[in-house]
Parts: sequence; C-alpha cells; structure tokens
Amino acid sequence: GNSVTQMEGPVTLSEEAFLTINCTYTATGYPSLFWYVQYPGEGLQLLLKATKADDKGSNKGFEATYRKETTSFHLEKGSVQVSDSAVYFCALSDIYNQGGKLIFGQGTELSVKP
Amino acid sequence: DTGVSQDPRHKITKRGQNVTFRCDPISEHNRLYWYRQTLGQGPEFLTYFQNEAQLEKSRLLSDRFSAERPKGSFSTLEIQRTEQGDSAMYLCASSSTMPDTQYFGPGTRLTVL
Repeated sequence: GNSVTQMEGPVTLSEEAFLTINCTYTATGYPSLFWYVQYPGEGLQLLLKATKADDKGSNKGFEATYRKETTSFHLEKGSVQVSDSAVYFCALSDIYNQGGKLIFGQGTELSVKP
Repeated sequence: DTGVSQDPRHKITKRGQNVTFRCDPISEHNRLYWYRQTLGQGPEFLTYFQNEAQLEKSRLLSDRFSAERPKGSFSTLEIQRTEQGDSAMYLCASSSTMPDTQYFGPGTRLTVL
C-alpha cells in the first residue's frame, strides 16, 4: 500500500541556517504530495502542496519539488527563523484510487535556536 | 469561511464510558475526514464521508467506533466502552471534491483514565 517515510527528528538548527527535511513515498497511482506544519499547541496547517511530477510547491520561504524518479518530496528553506520551530509532516493523497485520504509520515520536529 | 471546528477541545473520561465528538466542516465542503493522532506520530486515517455517505472505514476503526454525518453537514464520532488505548488527538478535516486539499480542525484531545 501507499506509505510516506520522513527523516527522523528532532532537527536542531541555528537561526538563518539552511533546512532540509527528507521525505520519500511509495504509491501505486498518481498521488498529490503535501507538507503540513503543526506549531506548538495548534492544529495542522497546510504548508505547501504539489499535484504532479516536477511541480514545485512553495509558501513562506519553504519549497518542495515532486520528484517522481526518486519518489521524493524534500522540504527546504534557505534561512530558518525561530518562528519556524514546529513539527512538519509529509503526506500523500491519491484521490482517484483511495478517496483522497491523507497518508502521513511520522513527523519531523524542528527546533530553531536564536 | 470560519474554518473547521471541533467540540469539545478536551475530554477526560473513565474507562468504559462512551464519548461523542462533533466536527463542523467548512460550509461548502462535501468531504469530511476523521483521523487519530497519538503522541509523536503522524495522523492516521479513520473514516471519511462524501456528503452523508460514509465511503471508507479504516481497519483501525473497531466496532466500538461509529461515525455519522446525517445531513451532509456536521459529523459525530462516537467511541463506546472507551479503553486507555483510545487516548489520542482526534482530528477532523474537510475538503471539496476537487481540489483535494484538506483543511484541519484544532482536534479533540481524549484522555481515558
């Protein structure tokens, strides 16, 4: 079945450092890919998404490119801020084959120090 | 657009009791999803509705769990005879059929003593 694997955390960075959080997926169809973020004490928020191969999703300085050849959707940001400290979840959804339910990775906790 | 709301936000109950949670989706969304999230894990799919029809249930959803969406608007998730293993955050999300982006509510945190 479909699955998502994320790099384990926690990831601790200094402010203005470069961020990469790895995400790979297994899917039989043509899924859409998502990054959701969960700030402390808050609900899940959509950060960015990509719906087909080679699409790049971007938001708030974060980017991720849908790579079908490597089945990856790595999250990157050039310069992190303390306010980016949160848990980041990679997810996929195959609306044509699985009704659109989201399959999540286990999450990666990011801590950014001043 | 007021977003997805869930009620209650927190619920503490004793083992063996029944609990019911409510989710109000974004008004024009016809799909509604329930997920469960335990500490340190990503959310796991439980069930989803398109309008009032329940189209899929996960194997995680034992017979003690039941969900309804009677008029295709709000939904309820009931857990009967709660067990300590049911302690988790229960999340609701909604989406239109196309596009497929799901928007999440704040969740209901259940603690079973």
